[in-house]
Amino acid sequence: ILNVEQSPQSLHVQEGDSTNFTCSFPSSNFYALHWYRWETAKSPEALFVMTLNGDEKKKGRISATLNTKEGYSYLYIKGSQPEDSATYLCASLRGGRRALTFGSGTRLQVQP
Amino acid sequence: DAGVIQSPRHEVTEMGQEVTLRCKPISGHDYLFWYRQTMMRGLELLIYFNNNVPIDDSGMPEDRFSAKMPNASFSTLKIQPSEPRDSAVYFCASSLDKTGTDTQYFGPGTRLTVL
Repeated sequence: ILNVEQSPQSLHVQEGDSTNFTCSFPSSNFYALHWYRWETAKSPEALFVMTLNGDEKKKGRISATLNTKEGYSYLYIKGSQPEDSATYLCASLRGGRRALTFGSGTRLQVQP
Repeated sequence: DAGVIQSPRHEVTEMGQEVTLRCKPISGHDYLFWYRQTMMRGLELLIYFNNNVPIDDSGMPEDRFSAKMPNASFSTLKIQPSEPRDSAVYFCASSLDKTGTDTQYFGPGTRLTVL
């Protein structure tokens, strides 16, 4: 994988559902993986920065896991709420650079 | 801290005009990034600076685009002459980034429309 890819592109769930999405990134020369939450008409807001294989981070109902050997990360949202509606971006940082390469995002819509 | 500040928030201009976008990073952050967001290409890096020095400008579309960082608290992105295809939201972000893994903090963006 040369680019950062996210799936699905969009997701509609009901309030209370749990959901997850995938980020695939180049595993060679891996340095860090960032997750951002981006609400409409606002700027991207950092959720997690992950660096170690097997790493798991949690913030309230949102958690993320990282597999650097195979180049993927999962983001989980437990008990989705309407306020979770946003685009979730992942971005890969490769060794030697300070510039993130962003995926195209997963747009989540939570229906009340 | 006020966060990353960008101005203007919205800019509408006519094709051929010069456009200057401004950014004030978070105080103490020594990395500054300019991104462009479009429907077609998503969020893409244009250029980034470390300690006011441009490090990687490979994302700058063409010679019409230029960026400067005259001091640690101010950066500009200039488009001259502007074209309709430059219409996008331009984000500035900054980070402390001593380890290469620090979070980037984004400004509110400038929505540019070139008619």
